[in-house]
Amino acid sequence: AQSVTQPDIHITVSEGASLELRCNYSYGATPYLFWYVQSPGQGLQLLLKYFSGDTLVQGIKGFEAEFKRSQSSFNLRKPSVHWSDAAEYFCAVGGATNKLIFGTGTLLAVQP
Amino acid sequence: GAVVSQHPSRVICKSGTSVKIECRSLDFQATTMFWYRQFPKQSLMLMATSNEGSKATYEQGVEKDKFLINHASLTLSTLTVTSAHPEDSSFYICSAKGVWEDTQYFGPGTRLTVL
Repeated sequence: AQSVTQPDIHITVSEGASLELRCNYSYGATPYLFWYVQSPGQGLQLLLKYFSGDTLVQGIKGFEAEFKRSQSSFNLRKPSVHWSDAAEYFCAVGGATNKLIFGTGTLLAVQP
Repeated sequence: GAVVSQHPSRVICKSGTSVKIECRSLDFQATTMFWYRQFPKQSLMLMATSNEGSKATYEQGVEKDKFLINHASLTLSTLTVTSAHPEDSSFYICSAKGVWEDTQYFGPGTRLTVL
């Protein structure tokens, strides 16, 4: 079955600290992987995506993610979190069908 | 680039009425548009996929007669919630994809409240 697991429902980090949000997927074909961010009451903004090639992808706002096929993971990282990064983060997997399967999201809180 | 708008952003209606939500791609031609529903503190669930000029494909469990989708042009798709009931209250988000794109671009969402 196709699925995305984000094991951390809620994470709190201090401003300036590093961040890693976990994402594991199950997908029968070659996956296209995405990270989106959602602010309260807003739509989703694409942070980064992986289709092929270099397994370490850079995104907007200083985020990066690494595709590890052997672990079926696509974890999102940021070396230094800013207060404005507080939001909900969704990992998603898709493919040739164009359908996206989303994880349940990780809510990030940033402490001053 | 790749901006998607939705209108209205928020709507409140009485039970039994119908509500139309518009999704527009502002700076690209969207051959495919998607409609999602998001319950509070939950993830997005795909409701249907629509391709310009053809009938929408609905996901299992989504009532096509209740959630009418029209994708009449390359920049506009509409979702009409017919005979809305309180359980239809939700956050509805559309996304759009161009013909050469592998990425969906999302609208800001529409908060529907049915009284």
